[in-house]
Amino acid sequence: QKEVEQDPGPLSVPEGAIVSLNCTYSNSAFQYFMWYRQYSRKGPELLMYTYSSGNKEDGRFTAQVDKSSKYISLFIRDSQPSDSATYLCAMSARSNFGNEKLTFGTGTRLTIIP
Amino acid sequence: NAGVTQTPKFRILKIGQSMTLQCTQDMNHNYMYWYRQDPGMGLKLIYYSVGAGITDKGEVPNGYNVSRSTTEDFPLRLELAAPSQTSVYFCASEQGGAATNEKLFFGSGTQLSVL
Repeated sequence: QKEVEQDPGPLSVPEGAIVSLNCTYSNSAFQYFMWYRQYSRKGPELLMYTYSSGNKEDGRFTAQVDKSSKYISLFIRDSQPSDSATYLCAMSARSNFGNEKLTFGTGTRLTIIP
Repeated sequence: NAGVTQTPKFRILKIGQSMTLQCTQDMNHNYMYWYRQDPGMGLKLIYYSVGAGITDKGEVPNGYNVSRSTTEDFPLRLELAAPSQTSVYFCASEQGGAATNEKLFFGSGTQLSVL
């Protein structure tokens, strides 16, 4: 069983729709949860970061964490064509050095249709 | 404001050749990482460094070597290229430490094909 599972998609939705992206995980040691956005031929960039169960909102984006179910989600409201990208979930637990070594999901490719 | 810079962007190697992927950052970050990204496999950590002179293996280190002689530079060396090393390679950096809102800054990647 992979530590982090993510539906690879692809996912296509019309502009303005609400998008739901999800990841499940098996490692109870994960404490920090992130969503990265990756445009084609670019490196990933951090979109959302949270370390507690519940919801965190930033503009049109909401990150949701349910530690009891080992399940995280990213919701995108009023989706725009510029949101078309691959979205990777990432999680971390403390390493021996104290830095956060990340475990990434495989990514979900999202296309917003104008 | 360059961030993390990787060179080259593209490279084709023959089996058995060697090469070095360059990575430099201008943010004075302590922690630097090398990942590879294969289709449907996500990002896999190859090596990382927590400061100049200190490196450690990640999840998939075989066939690679690294060094960290300065804070800014973290090159990745492939000694005997194999087709299994065909991938997109990303370098990343972060300030590191026990902060609760650290984030990785990624370079734009090197697409490597071994034929």
